[in-house]
Amino acid sequence: QSALTQPPSASGSPGQSVTISCTGTSSDIGGNDYVSWYQQHPGKAPKLMIYEVTKRPSGVPDRFSGSKSGNTASLTVSGLQAEDEADYYCSSYAGINNFVFGTGTKVSVL
Amino acid sequence: EVQLVESGGGVVRPGGSLRLSCAASGFTFGDYGMTWVRQAPGKGLEWVSGISWNGGSTGYADSVKGRFTISRDNAKNSLYLQMNSLRAEDTALYHCARGFYSKDYWGQGTLVTVSS
Repeated sequence: QSALTQPPSASGSPGQSVTISCTGTSSDIGGNDYVSWYQQHPGKAPKLMIYEVTKRPSGVPDRFSGSKSGNTASLTVSGLQAEDEADYYCSSYAGINNFVFGTGTKVSVL
Repeated sequence: EVQLVESGGGVVRPGGSLRLSCAASGFTFGDYGMTWVRQAPGKGLEWVSGISWNGGSTGYADSVKGRFTISRDNAKNSLYLQMNSLRAEDTALYHCARGFYSKDYWGQGTLVTVSS
């Protein structure tokens, strides 16, 4: 159950796009479509942003989108806004009722 | 309004035990799988354990397997985590979350500190 690999940080100016990668293995990301993404502001509980690779929960802006290719999943935030500055975590089902989170990426809005 | 409220955290010595609870409201608890996720101070999220809607399926992180037990009481709209043989590395904020595959609502967490 090794953590999924994410870049420690990512940044962009307001209005730009930023993409965060999440790399796993064929046992987790590459083996199923239960990949989700969470946003966490300091001192707050995580918030679900994307589930089942590409789906957005009600209330999440369509600026947030997810994708997957092989063992790597990605979260793209388009039209970056100040309130998007937060930590982002990916997560994947890893088989036999096990799950794994990513190492986390701090997104800064310049 | 969906609400998840954790309780039961505190300071415990290494080797000790604690039982965390999560009180759910605002939804039909028995329709959903549930999950415990922890976050050590200044660190990232770590999946701890999950349980299916009826308790028939459970899963544990390798780091807690054999020491922690997840359970639920659908009649009481409650989720539990029995934590035994606690170690310093178990120190974290423990969140309960609704969902098994994706977690769409989270509680604010209860802090567990393992220290001598």
